[in-house]
Amino acid sequence: QKEVEQNSGPLSVPEGAIASLNCTYSDRGSQSFFWYRQYSGKSPELIMFIYSNGDKEDGRFTAQLNKASQYVSLLIRDSQPSDSATYLCAVKYNNNDMRFGAGTRLTVKP
Amino acid sequence: KAGVTQTPRYLIKTRGQQVTLSCSPISGHRSVSWYQQTPGQGLQFLFEYFSETQRNKGNFPGRFSGRQFSNSRSEMNVSTLELGDSALYLCASSGEGSAGTGSEKLFFGSGTQLSVL
Repeated sequence: QKEVEQNSGPLSVPEGAIASLNCTYSDRGSQSFFWYRQYSGKSPELIMFIYSNGDKEDGRFTAQLNKASQYVSLLIRDSQPSDSATYLCAVKYNNNDMRFGAGTRLTVKP
Repeated sequence: KAGVTQTPRYLIKTRGQQVTLSCSPISGHRSVSWYQQTPGQGLQFLFEYFSETQRNKGNFPGRFSGRQFSNSRSEMNVSTLELGDSALYLCASSGEGSAGTGSEKLFFGSGTQLSVL
């Protein structure tokens, strides 16, 4: 069973704080890991992707991957109200099958 | 480059009817995936097509089917609609490439909001 688990939230952080979003996956054969952001009424858009263990930074976003623990996370530094959205973790398996978690709703309060 | 185009944007059907949704991928993308999104359920994978062949399939009943044409455009069909089929149906396309290149990331269309009454 290819499962991707996320805390549904809502996660609420004050403006300027660090938001931490977590995701676990069930299949050790997973190759690629993605974070998508979805604003209310809009389609998901890609923010980050990561393939290797460790951290990957892009601006205020850092993705972290630990394949041994089957865990991937997204950190958002200096959170802004415009970051308020649902964040979807996606895992791609060896056969090009991309599965998503249910998403974590983030609210950044001014 | 034009993005992923889905039509129609909204659909209202009644139980028992069938529906066909259309998706045109980004030019050059040969992989098209379909997802169902309902509140609280996230994106549920329906199927993925590549070069006119279904490559992957999720856990949906046979009432959900799809196909892909030689120009990579894809259609999804749902027969004998049920109330529970009311959802946002998202199509996404992706390029091809080795893992680690980022080329397999998905680009989503605006979706078709289906309401079954």
